[in-house]
Amino acid sequence: DQQVKQNSPSLSVQEGRISILNCDYTNSMFDYFLWYKKYPAEGPTFLISISSIKDKNEDGRFTVFLNKSAKHLSLHIVPSQPGDSAVYFCAASPVSGGYNKLIFGAGTRLAVHP
Amino acid sequence: GAGVSQTPSNKVTEKGKYVELRCDPISGHTALYWYRQSLGQGPEFLIYFQGTGAADDSGLPNDRFFAVRPEGSVSTLKIQRTERGDSAVYLCASSFRPFTDTQYFGPGTRLTVL
Repeated sequence: DQQVKQNSPSLSVQEGRISILNCDYTNSMFDYFLWYKKYPAEGPTFLISISSIKDKNEDGRFTVFLNKSAKHLSLHIVPSQPGDSAVYFCAASPVSGGYNKLIFGAGTRLAVHP
Repeated sequence: GAGVSQTPSNKVTEKGKYVELRCDPISGHTALYWYRQSLGQGPEFLIYFQGTGAADDSGLPNDRFFAVRPEGSVSTLKIQRTERGDSAVYLCASSFRPFTDTQYFGPGTRLTVL
């Protein structure tokens, strides 16, 4: 069963507007969440993370929101730029494991067009 | 500085053959992870090393898969009697410490089993 779900396989956004990527999880033991970005023929690159003790984390144009009661997190990119076009993966990790055993979603392909 | 490197970048083999995939982590990183990414899916955890020992191999699909890290640096993922279903991109990641530290991914090895 999929413990981390990204229900939108693709998203198209105009340059300068906001991109919102969504992620849902089912395992209440997850308490550390990350977003990775992946360009073709490259490995995933860490973007931003959030611990379950927070509900928001911001880094420049990127903000991640966590709603624990809904088991939902989202990544906001404002303003979106053509260079943001990539596949975005949501990942989650349980602290109890003592290390980052990341469970990934299937990814959302973001296309930012001029 | 040098990132995580993986060799070969592409490997084509015939069903039933044996393959080895190599990962060179970032120097000084004690934790090393292997993931497998099938088409249209996110990376799936295979095995985690802390130093030389495999601390968690729960993601290895069956006993045809084995990984080593004899000196606590380079790791090799070994697949015996390859099957067509083993075709995927195999990703390696490393981090300085096992938890809270970002996992840095290599570009992956694309394995194709004919």
